[in-house]
Amino acid sequence: EDQVTQSPEALRLQEGESSSLNCSYTVSGLRGLFWYRQDPGKGPEFLFTLYSAGEEKEKERLKATLTKKESFLHITAPKPEDSATYLCAVQVPRDYKLSFGAGTTVTVRA
Amino acid sequence: DAGVIQSPRHEVTEMGQEVTLRCKPISGHDYLFWYRQTMMRGLELLIYFNNNVPIDDSGMPEDRFSAKMPNASFSTLKIQPSEPRDSAVYFCASSSLGALNTGELFFGEGSRLTVL
Repeated sequence: EDQVTQSPEALRLQEGESSSLNCSYTVSGLRGLFWYRQDPGKGPEFLFTLYSAGEEKEKERLKATLTKKESFLHITAPKPEDSATYLCAVQVPRDYKLSFGAGTTVTVRA
Repeated sequence: DAGVIQSPRHEVTEMGQEVTLRCKPISGHDYLFWYRQTMMRGLELLIYFNNNVPIDDSGMPEDRFSAKMPNASFSTLKIQPSEPRDSAVYFCASSSLGALNTGELFFGEGSRLTVL
């Protein structure tokens, strides 16, 4: 069974204090790994797609990287508006469904 | 585009009652997913449809849950009878094949269900 584990569960940062979130996965073949952002009371919103080990994607203060067993979401010099729950998800070959991790809730204090 | 529209946004009901959640996907999307989110279990896939046909319902908890997609612009998730452990936020998401190939689902704002 596909497993996606995210750590830590929660992260409290001071504005400007860079940090990383981890997503480790165990799947029977990886088609793609994806990062989503979820604000309170809202549905998840797509951020990044990663297909193969060594790949990196960036968007503003966020950078996602992928290895053969895990992915990291780096937040550089975060601002309060980066506060959200960050979810990672995996997709396996021949199947379009996404399996999500439990998420990391990031709080950035001004 | 209006995005994925879900109703009701909030539902409070008593144990044993029937609950129907509704979803209107983005026009032109031919994949529709129902997820359930709880603190304990996170975001779990219940069922997904392609061209109105259920493809994978292995996540549907039990016979009390049923989902239908009578046409390309409407889907329902029904719980009968409801139980307190069904309390959760239920999300509907839609996508196209091209977007799915990059892992992009478009989520609605969810229906928060509380069963007393």
